[in-house]
Amino acid sequence: GEDVEQSLFLSVREGDSSVINCTYTDSSSTYLYWYKQEPGAGLQLLTYIFSNMDMKQDQRLTVLLNKKDKHLSLRIADTQTGDSAIYFCAESQVTGGGNKLTFGTGTQLKVEL
Amino acid sequence: EAQVTQNPRYLITVTGKKLTVTCSQNMNHEYMSWYRQDPGLGLRQIYYSMNVEVTDKGDVPEGYKVSRKEKRNFPLILESPSPNQTSLYFCASSRSGRAQGEQFFGPGTRLTVL
Repeated sequence: GEDVEQSLFLSVREGDSSVINCTYTDSSSTYLYWYKQEPGAGLQLLTYIFSNMDMKQDQRLTVLLNKKDKHLSLRIADTQTGDSAIYFCAESQVTGGGNKLTFGTGTQLKVEL
Repeated sequence: EAQVTQNPRYLITVTGKKLTVTCSQNMNHEYMSWYRQDPGLGLRQIYYSMNVEVTDKGDVPEGYKVSRKEKRNFPLILESPSPNQTSLYFCASSRSGRAQGEQFFGPGTRLTVL
């Protein structure tokens, strides 16, 4: 079955890099996503990666995918206080249930001055 | 502006009083779904709809109903709410349920059942 796991909390200092990790179990997933949720807000798609890629970079964000270990990470360079939020990884499967997303538990990132 | 809207944003109700949370999208998307978010559990899918008049259960459908009479609307109905349905609810839509692609989320509805 599908299961996506993340650590619950991460605290970093402003200007440092943040690395948020995620493990998933469904090897048939072809899209993996990172969503950001700011306090009181909905989910904002940050970036995604195809399963045939190892890495994707988008400005301060770097996504690394280790398909063998089913491990996904999101690195935020030069972390700012505005990056404080909950980050969800999600895997996507197109099954009889349509374009379903299975989410991790979310990692709360706290950026300290 | 392309968006998914939900109403109400906040709702406090009592056990057993029927309620409906509306969801509407203006992107002509075929696929719509409802998720609930609970601390430490992430988001879990309640119901989804592949297209008009086509709905099916997600992972946690108990206590909920949905309907899809029009393409743009996908209301979530709680016939007899209970305190364990206190949660943050998100509606989402995507172009198709048959292909992977970005899902757009509404702003969320925070429901408290006393």
